[in-house]
Amino acid sequence: KAGVTQTPRYLIKTRGQQVTLSCSPISGHRSVSWYQQTPGQGLQFLFEYFSETQRNKGNFPGRFSGRQFSNSRSEMNVSTLELGDSALYLCASSFTSDVYNEQFFGPGTRLTVL
Amino acid sequence: AQSVAQPEDQVNVAEGNPLTVKCTYSVSGNPYLFWYVQYPNRGLQFLLKYITGDNLVKGSYGFEAEFNKSQTSFHLKKPSALVSDSALYFCAVRDGTGGFKTIFGAGTRLFVKA
Repeated sequence: KAGVTQTPRYLIKTRGQQVTLSCSPISGHRSVSWYQQTPGQGLQFLFEYFSETQRNKGNFPGRFSGRQFSNSRSEMNVSTLELGDSALYLCASSFTSDVYNEQFFGPGTRLTVL
Repeated sequence: AQSVAQPEDQVNVAEGNPLTVKCTYSVSGNPYLFWYVQYPNRGLQFLLKYITGDNLVKGSYGFEAEFNKSQTSFHLKKPSALVSDSALYFCAVRDGTGGFKTIFGAGTRLFVKA
């Protein structure tokens, strides 16, 4: 079974631009979560989608948004990029959004904002 | 509010010796605890989880963790370390009231010396 895939793997943008990251979960998984990983803040939860609905949200500004499609694929969008948005963005999928389910992570998209 | 603490930034151990990576948590409801490992330029990989029941949980690659409710701890252990265990380890928690939102610790870097 194929793992979680994320595209692109690397991205360079400039301040003020917007970016869209894509995540394809493991086949059959319906829950997709997004995390931001930085050396200073560690891993921070962005949001979680299940069956095209945002179920949980972390403490990030409205510039960060996401959506999930009927095939469970998810996209994350960041508008008006800031230097501090430079990070590794990780997507994780799970069969359901039951609290006891572990997550399967993709390799991440490394975003650099210049 | 949920929180996770990994008090050691780095743990050094000789190959063949036992290893412990510490984790303490704080949740308002019942804790659901997870350990993940991250290798360079890779996403996180699930190691093990505690949901309920036996306090000693066994996971992948010979790792185990002991849940201690009175000390609110969930330390990761392995009887005999391998050089290939060198990686970044994350403890994570959810509680039953917070849905799927997952809080990760800051991570502990494990170095196993041959």
